[in-house]
Amino acid sequence: LAKTTQPISMDSYEGQEVNITCSHNNIATNDYITWYQQFPSQGPRFIIQGYKTKVTNEVASLFIPADRKSSTLSLPRVSLSDTAVYYCLVGDYRAGNNRKLIWGLGTSLAVNP
Amino acid sequence: EAGVTQFPSHSVIEKGQTVTLRCDPISGHDNLYWYRRVMGKEIKFLLHFVKESKQDESGMPNNRFLAERTGGTYSTLKVQPAELEDSGVYFCASSQGSGIHYEQYFGPGTRLTVT
Repeated sequence: LAKTTQPISMDSYEGQEVNITCSHNNIATNDYITWYQQFPSQGPRFIIQGYKTKVTNEVASLFIPADRKSSTLSLPRVSLSDTAVYYCLVGDYRAGNNRKLIWGLGTSLAVNP
Repeated sequence: EAGVTQFPSHSVIEKGQTVTLRCDPISGHDNLYWYRRVMGKEIKFLLHFVKESKQDESGMPNNRFLAERTGGTYSTLKVQPAELEDSGVYFCASSQGSGIHYEQYFGPGTRLTVT
């Protein structure tokens, strides 16, 4: 199972674009990259998932370079409500019914007014 | 649609006592997971149910932890007897399927404090 490395914390201001990069040097061919968001006193919430290149949804974009050894979560024009911990997870979710998620410590994002 | 619910939200017990945590998954979700976060450390997988069967319990720390999911609906996680190191936040998650496109939905967690 691939290990991930993220910055422990980041600071930003309202209206800015925030990019959080995650390193996963030993990612395997069948691994997918998933990002979760967690607000205080809540459980984690799925944001976005991808395998390669770029994925975009209504919340964020995920950029994955060709070698897939890293990925960048991009949050456009953040607001105070985006203050949360963001987790990058890597794993092969195709392996039968075993879909346990392997977590790192995440990146604590603080959005300031 | 109701999300994943967990009960209680907080529990404070003394070392040696027993505590039972409950998780109600989203209706129709066959897959149910338990995770735990000890303070200052990462969230760790405990076990995975598919309906009432334990698919993977490799993360259960020791035999003081017992998880059940009778009837394949709600699940309970019992800690008996509780130790100080069991303190943390216990999360439950559920998913409709186990394929790549089935995301896991998490409950708010139960904060367990063992004194």
